[in-house]
Amino acid sequence: SQQGEEDPQALSIQEGENATMNCSYKTSINNLQWYRQNSGRGLVHLILIRSNEREKHSGRLRVTLDTSKKSSSLLITASRAADTASYFCAGGVYDKVIFGPGTSLSVIP
Amino acid sequence: GAVVSQHPSRVICKSGTSVKIECRSLDFQATTMFWYRQFPKKSLMLMATSNEGSKATYEQGVEKDKFLINHASLTLSTLTVTSAHPEDSSFYICSARGQGVVYEQYFGPGTRLTVT
Repeated sequence: SQQGEEDPQALSIQEGENATMNCSYKTSINNLQWYRQNSGRGLVHLILIRSNEREKHSGRLRVTLDTSKKSSSLLITASRAADTASYFCAGGVYDKVIFGPGTSLSVIP
Repeated sequence: GAVVSQHPSRVICKSGTSVKIECRSLDFQATTMFWYRQFPKKSLMLMATSNEGSKATYEQGVEKDKFLINHASLTLSTLTVTSAHPEDSSFYICSARGQGVVYEQYFGPGTRLTVT
């Protein structure tokens, strides 16, 4: 079963613009994580935000978490062509991580 | 960060044969390993959770006799797809979690299985 639902499913932006991806989830979580996957490759862990946190930053990444709305957002600022990838949110429930369907991001040079 | 490897990275097999995929934690002891399956342009679906020395816990809808999981040591888990069929073709990804680190999972690079 999938935990998160990403919005939008696909996003195309120009290099230098900001990209915002949203994620909604259904059940209670311990944490929410964002991952990146290049086509046909493995996953790269980007950032983890715990259920008692509201916002977290890591480089050009900014993640927010609203547990009352069961939603999270990932903002990538000043996007680069190399940011082109699929991005997944994943809800951490005890020792499991359940993935959402993902957002396919294309950054056009 | 911690490194997880998978072998093979790609495998093509004939329908009816069995295929074994290995997942290794290279620089830490993985008390728990997870196996995921990913269809093209889709998300990862958790198949099962395996703890070292005990039987794997399968998610609903995953056939445990079809997908045999063995976690014989703290650095190795294997997934065997038995009597493979073309619909088993997929990208299989494992992840590993170390001792005492509840939230951190480290993912392997994945194995592309094609059943002809």
